[in-house]
Amino acid sequence: EIVLTQSPGTLSLSPGDRATLSCRASQHFSSSFLAWYQHKPDQAPRLLIYGTSTRPTGIPDRFSGSGSGTDFTLTISRLEPEDFAMYYCQQYADSPRTFGQGTKVEIK
Amino acid sequence: QVRLQESGPGLVKPSETLSLICTVSGASIKSSSHYWGWIRQSPGKGLEWIGTVYTDGRNHYNPSLTSRVTISGDMSKNHFSLNLTSATAADTGVYFCARHSPDFWTGTPGYMDVWGKGTTVIVSS
Repeated sequence: EIVLTQSPGTLSLSPGDRATLSCRASQHFSSSFLAWYQHKPDQAPRLLIYGTSTRPTGIPDRFSGSGSGTDFTLTISRLEPEDFAMYYCQQYADSPRTFGQGTKVEIK
Repeated sequence: QVRLQESGPGLVKPSETLSLICTVSGASIKSSSHYWGWIRQSPGKGLEWIGTVYTDGRNHYNPSLTSRVTISGDMSKNHFSLNLTSATAADTGVYFCARHSPDFWTGTPGYMDVWGKGTTVIVSS
C-alpha cells in the first residue's frame, strides 16, 4: 500500500501568513490521483484539491496544490481565520486508498 | 446540495456486528454515477478507507477489512450501509460516510467530494 507522510505535524502561523504543507508518498504515482481535505472539529471534512492541483467549485483561490512523483504540496497563500484546521492528503492511485496522518494548522 | 448523515449504535459489544447507515439527501444513490463509501478515524491509525459501493452494486473494499466488511445500498430508502462483523476494540473510532467521484482515468473510486460529519462508535463490553 502507498504510505503518505505529511509534514510538519503542526504548523503554528498567524492570519495573513503563507502555509506550506507537504505530503510525501512511499512510492511514485501519477499526480492525477492526489487530493487534499480540510477538517474542523464536529464538521464534515471538505475537499479542497483533487488531481493534485484542481480546486472544486467554491474553494477559494488562496488554496493551491502542486507536486508530482512522490512529493506533493498544499499552499495557503494568506491564512484566513477560518483556515486554522487539520489538513489531510489522500491518494486514489492504488488500493487501498490511503491518507496522510494530517497537518494541524494552528494559530500562533 | 448533497448531504450525508451517518446513524447507528454508538456502542457495540466485542464480537458483534458494527452496523451503520448513511442517509443521502439532495442526490439519488440509484441514478447518481458515484461511489458511496465509508472511512473511519481512530486514534491509533488515523484516517482509514473502508470501502465503497457503486450504483450497480459493485464493491471496492480495503484488503485489510475485506473478510469482515459489507457495504450495500438500499435504493428505495436512498441510503447505504456498513456492516463490520466480529468487532473488536480496534474498530473503535469515528465513522464517516462519503461520496466518491469515479476517477476519470480508471473509473474506480476517486476523491471524496461530499462527507458526513461522522458518528462515534465504541466497541466495548
